[in-house]
Amino acid sequence: ETGVTQSPTHLIKTRGQQVTLRCSSQSGHNTVSWYQQALGQGPQFIFQYYREEENGRGNFPPRFSGLQFPNYSSELNVNALELDDSALYLCASSSRGQTYNEQFFGPGTRLTVL
Amino acid sequence: AQSVSQHNHHVILSEAASLELGCNYSYGGTVNLFWYVQYPGQHLQLLLKYFSGDPLVKGIKGFEAEFIKSKFSFNLRKPSVQWSDTAEYFCAVTAHNQGGKLIFGQGTELSVKP
Repeated sequence: ETGVTQSPTHLIKTRGQQVTLRCSSQSGHNTVSWYQQALGQGPQFIFQYYREEENGRGNFPPRFSGLQFPNYSSELNVNALELDDSALYLCASSSRGQTYNEQFFGPGTRLTVL
Repeated sequence: AQSVSQHNHHVILSEAASLELGCNYSYGGTVNLFWYVQYPGQHLQLLLKYFSGDPLVKGIKGFEAEFIKSKFSFNLRKPSVQWSDTAEYFCAVTAHNQGGKLIFGQGTELSVKP
């Protein structure tokens, strides 16, 4: 069973640029959630994708957007990067339809905005 | 809005000491509760979860947690910690009808001295 994978591992961007982060969900999972974890903080929910549509969103501005593909992999796009966007971005996959869809986390992408 | 509060930012214990990490949440409805652990350099992993039934739940590696509904608490315990328990611990909650949107606490860093 292949776990959740994310790419790239690390990324450095400058303020105002755009970034795309990628996530491959665990085999058999159809739902992907994205979280932002700032240094010293717990992860914060950005949004969730199910059946290629956004299915719930946290308190993040529209410049945070995403996609889910037919194979259930997902992308997180952030436009007009700000210094405060520097964080670890976590992807979690789950299988909707169970009593509880336990979320399995990937290793994260460390984004640094200069 | 839901929130999760973890009482301790950093806990330092000697091996064989007992551990209790506090977690309180704010939400009036039915919730699912979780403890996640992040070992140095590794992914977030689920330690244990509570959905319903017996409020005392047992997880991996000898950890347990007790859900006290009247206190909105879900404290994590372990009778005797080991050096290998050194990690960051996150309490998280999801509302029963919110399809897995996890709200995390800020985390507690546990350091176990050999």
